[in-house]
Amino acid sequence: KNEVEQSPQNLTAQEGEFITINCSYSVGISALHWLQQHPGGGIVSLFMLSSGKKKHGRLIATINIQEKHSSLHITASHPRDSAVYICAAYPVNAGGTSYGKLTFGQGTILTVHP
Amino acid sequence: NAGVMQNPRHLVRRRGQEARLRCSPVKGHSHVYWYRQLPEEGLKFMVYLQKENIIDESGMPKERFSAEFPKEGPSILRIQQVVRGDSAAYFCASSPPFRRITGNTIYFGEGSWLTVV
Repeated sequence: KNEVEQSPQNLTAQEGEFITINCSYSVGISALHWLQQHPGGGIVSLFMLSSGKKKHGRLIATINIQEKHSSLHITASHPRDSAVYICAAYPVNAGGTSYGKLTFGQGTILTVHP
Repeated sequence: NAGVMQNPRHLVRRRGQEARLRCSPVKGHSHVYWYRQLPEEGLKFMVYLQKENIIDESGMPKERFSAEFPKEGPSILRIQQVVRGDSAAYFCASSPPFRRITGNTIYFGEGSWLTVV
């Protein structure tokens, strides 16, 4: 079982729909990234979270450290949101510190139809 | 992507040749990470470097792969005697020194796509 699990693996939506992608992790972490990758393209960090909730435009990310769970929400989805969304965690090492050795979920392929 | 530059973006090599991938981090960032994305697989950590030091190479294949981040110049990921299974996207990322508890934002490059024929 992966240390970081995402669901669903594939998601299809109609333009305007509210979308939720979930991420669960089984290890202690200090923070978590939500990343976006377009086909054949680079990776962009949408959010880094260590607690609570962050919002940027139509994107909202939440994290519950106690439940080891994070969600990415997209309100009023648009075809340009079609991409792979990846959850990536910073595991805490034995010394209680983290660095950029990210552990990644398998990604969620989002397709938004007009 | 806040300035992480990778080159080449696309590289084709024949089996047995060497591949060199370069990464220039965001100006002022002293920490560089390399990740690999194999076809139909997720991203995997390969190596973490600081200037002139390899901090963690636990994700690097034991043979043919090496990485460096010299005092001057870009970080280099070198793959010797490439095989078809090395075909993948290789992503570099950089960050300033990590905050102990809350981590730090990490910036990714556009990736280098290696195809071995």
